[in-house]
Amino acid sequence: QVQLVESGGGVVQPGRSLRLSCAVSGFTFSYYGMHWVRQAPGKGLEWVAVISDDGNTKYSADSVKGRFTISRDNSKNTLYLQMDSLRAEDTAVYYCAKKVGMGEATIGLDYWGQGTLVTVSS
Amino acid sequence: QTVVTQEPSLTVSPGGTVTLTCASSTGAVTSGHYPNWFQQKPGQTPRALIYNTANKHSWTPARFSGSLLGGKAALTLSGVQPEDEAEYYCLLYYGGARVFGGGTKVTVL
Repeated sequence: QVQLVESGGGVVQPGRSLRLSCAVSGFTFSYYGMHWVRQAPGKGLEWVAVISDDGNTKYSADSVKGRFTISRDNSKNTLYLQMDSLRAEDTAVYYCAKKVGMGEATIGLDYWGQGTLVTVSS
Repeated sequence: QTVVTQEPSLTVSPGGTVTLTCASSTGAVTSGHYPNWFQQKPGQTPRALIYNTANKHSWTPARFSGSLLGGKAALTLSGVQPEDEAEYYCLLYYGGARVFGGGTKVTVL
């Protein structure tokens, strides 16, 4: 079965960096684009970033552009989110999610991980 | 900055029908926004329901349906069950970036 397991969350001071990982299994990782989505405590979902199946195409939300970098290692079946210059407002549960379907005809997310909590606080 | 707007809350009786909508600040929502819908219950991970406007995932109950309605994306719940009480989010595609709506809390009462 499809599994996505995030790790790397924790408490970090403002201005510092953190790298999240998402280890996947149950599907051919290199065939699918992947997303990061976050949810601040008590708030709604916020889309963060997406990366194509081959890692060559990336998009990110304006709120994280220039600070967060999405990447992937298809040999390790792992997705990453490098978060630099962290701010208090980046405090959230971070989810990784798989793109639904292959190719450009389908746009969306299907399977989600359980999330990892990032707390930015001094 | 693009804003996606949903009704903050809706109430429906068990067995009834309710339609949630998703509007874009850039204009009418079309199939080119590839609307997605997600359900999230308290303390749980979001669950995908609909992609590409109206396509259901293998696990999506038949009572959930997606469409375009009056320039908005819409999610209709027919024959609502008590377990459908949850927060529902839409997601729209903008040529690369995606934006979630603020969510609609559906109460079954």
